[in-house]
Amino acid sequence: DIQMTQSPSSLSASVGDRVTITCRASQSISSYLNWYQQKPGKAPKLLIYAASSLQSGVPSRFSGSGSGTDFTLTISSLQPEDFATYYCLQSYSTPITFGQGTRLEIK
Amino acid sequence: EVQLVESGGGLVQPGGSLRLSCAASGFTVSSNYMSWVRQAPGKGLEWVSIIYSGGTTYYADSVQGRFTISRDNSKNTLYLQMNSLRVEDTAVYYCARDSPYITGTGGWDYWGQGTLVTVSS
Repeated sequence: DIQMTQSPSSLSASVGDRVTITCRASQSISSYLNWYQQKPGKAPKLLIYAASSLQSGVPSRFSGSGSGTDFTLTISSLQPEDFATYYCLQSYSTPITFGQGTRLEIK
Repeated sequence: EVQLVESGGGLVQPGGSLRLSCAASGFTVSSNYMSWVRQAPGKGLEWVSIIYSGGTTYYADSVQGRFTISRDNSKNTLYLQMNSLRVEDTAVYYCARDSPYITGTGGWDYWGQGTLVTVSS
């Protein structure tokens, strides 16, 4: 199985900050990497697919990059509604696997 | 409007069975890839199973041989039959639709509200 490792596991930041979350795969997954946002008690929301494509309706302050084994999710200017938990996911092969999550908290 | 509504969760004893349902509206289940994803209390997300539009199915190692994903085309509904349940299967279970606009799988654009399965004696 492909292991996905996110860092950091938690992060404190302020509104307006630029934030970067990284995700590393245990083997090359090309660009089969998606990012999700989850708020407490809610279903996850797709933000980025294919490593760098913005899902329809997602604000442009979210961006993704990377290929192979190393990927990043960047939020260019944090907004209050962005405080949530973020997960990466690989769909290169089954079983589909998630990173352990990054909890983004208000500083 | 696309909507997914799950049902069937509840409390079950270890070794017991439960069937989850995911009723879809606004699209055709059989024409899309559909998955189940779960989240244990306070934990991260775990993919459970997928059924492709052609009918092929895959499972996470943790549920292989115990869970079965299926669909009823006449009811436009996805199911997850869970047998030999274990305490570690306790989680909120979500059904999710793969976006038809994204190549491959894992790009879930619509999710159900989640249904809680508790396995406990």
